[in-house]
Amino acid sequence: QTVVTQEPSLTVSPGGTVTLTCASSTGAVSSGHYPNWFQQKPGQAPRTLIYSTNNKHSWTPARFSGSLLGGKAALTLSGVRPEDEAEYYCLLYYGGAHWVFGGGTRLTVL
Amino acid sequence: QVQLQESGPGLVEPSETLSLTCSVSGGSISNYYWNWIRQTPGKGLEWIGYIHYTGSTKYNPSLKGRASISMDTSKNQFSLKLTSVTAADTAVYYCVRDAGFDYWGQGILVTVSS
Repeated sequence: QTVVTQEPSLTVSPGGTVTLTCASSTGAVSSGHYPNWFQQKPGQAPRTLIYSTNNKHSWTPARFSGSLLGGKAALTLSGVRPEDEAEYYCLLYYGGAHWVFGGGTRLTVL
Repeated sequence: QVQLQESGPGLVEPSETLSLTCSVSGGSISNYYWNWIRQTPGKGLEWIGYIHYTGSTKYNPSLKGRASISMDTSKNQFSLKLTSVTAADTAVYYCVRDAGFDYWGQGILVTVSS
């Protein structure tokens, strides 16, 4: 069974920079996994920030960026704001046409 | 503006079939992939499956053939059926358009209980 691993929790100061990562139990994450990143706040549906590694939707703030880093997918937040405090999930695509979510990272802005 | 809205029973008895419908407005389902995703407190987010506008489908292998997704282009809707449900299927179910997973429904809580 494929497992996608994220940091359970991270803390960042307002104005700081933080990188969340997403690793695959099958090996290095590549663009072929079409990494997606979602933000979820309590009581809300997830909102997609990044798709296909580094593509942004029209609503994605410029301070969010996606990349591949050291064999993992990465989401970097630069100039963190208090409203960025949320749960962040990654999603990877695997051959056989199925998707697997990571367990989520709880980001605290403190 | 594309909007998705899930509908269906909020309570399903164990061993029965869970049936949900996603109504799409502001755009046609005759394009893109259309997904069902669920979220449980214990297991986080889980991709259930998708249907392509051509009618092709794919499902999460972990559901062991219990899931089925169909679409009705005349109603601009697509549906999920999940058979032989147990308490482990209790979750918030979301329908999601895959153009970069851009549009999500608000979610519907389905509880499996007698």
